[in-house]
Amino acid sequence: NAGVTQTPKFQVLKTGQSMTLQCAQDMNHNSMYWYRQDPGMGLRLIYYSASEGTTDKGEVPNGYNVSRLNKREFSLRLESAAPSQTSVYFCASSDPDRSDQPQHFGDGTRLSIL
Amino acid sequence: EDQVTQSPEALRLQEGESSSLNCSYTVSGLRGLFWYRQDPGKGPEFLFTLYSAGEEKEKERLKATLTKKESFLHITAPKPEDSATYLCADPLPGYALNFGKGTSLLVTP
Repeated sequence: NAGVTQTPKFQVLKTGQSMTLQCAQDMNHNSMYWYRQDPGMGLRLIYYSASEGTTDKGEVPNGYNVSRLNKREFSLRLESAAPSQTSVYFCASSDPDRSDQPQHFGDGTRLSIL
Repeated sequence: EDQVTQSPEALRLQEGESSSLNCSYTVSGLRGLFWYRQDPGKGPEFLFTLYSAGEEKEKERLKATLTKKESFLHITAPKPEDSATYLCADPLPGYALNFGKGTSLLVTP
C-alpha cells in the first residue's frame, strides 16, 4: 500500500527560485495537510485542506501557496525560495469523519535553499 | 494558546531499562491525544490515540496513559529497535495536529 507519496525526496534550490512539492494519497481521505519540521521546533502546520476545494492557513503560511488539485493531490508551492525555508516538509492525510483514525504521513521532502 | 510540551528532550536507556516519556497539554476539552514514532529520514508513524482521562492503550513494549493534563508513554524492557523520536500531539481546528517537539530515545545494547 502506497499511503502518502511525496515528490521529490530531496531538492536544492537557489534563493529566489520557485518550486512545487507534490503530495498524493491513495486512502480516499478528505483532509490533507502540509507541515514543516525544523530542528528544535517540531512539526508546524503550514496549510491544510479539510476537503476538496477548500484550503486554510496554518501556523506558518507566509511564503507558501497550496493547491488542492483533486481529492488525491495537494501541492505546496514556494514562489521565491528563501534560506529560512530550508526544512523537511511532510504531507499528511486523514479522514476526520472517523475520529479514531490518525493522520498518515509521507516520508518527507528535504529542501535546502542556498 | 494551546501548548504541547514533551519531556525529556532526549533519553538514553540501556536495553531492558524501563522508563516513561511525558507529554503535557494545556487545551481544555481535549478531543484526543495522539502519540507517533518517527525514525530518522521517515515520516511520523501513528502509535496511539487517547480520548479520556484514565484511558490506557498498549502495543508491544509501549503503553500510553492519559490524565486530565498529561499523557505518559511507558516503555517496558526496551530494545535497541525502540530507538526513535516519540511525538505527541493534540488536534487543532480542521483536524490538523499541534505537535510537541518530541523526545529522542536511544536504547543501547
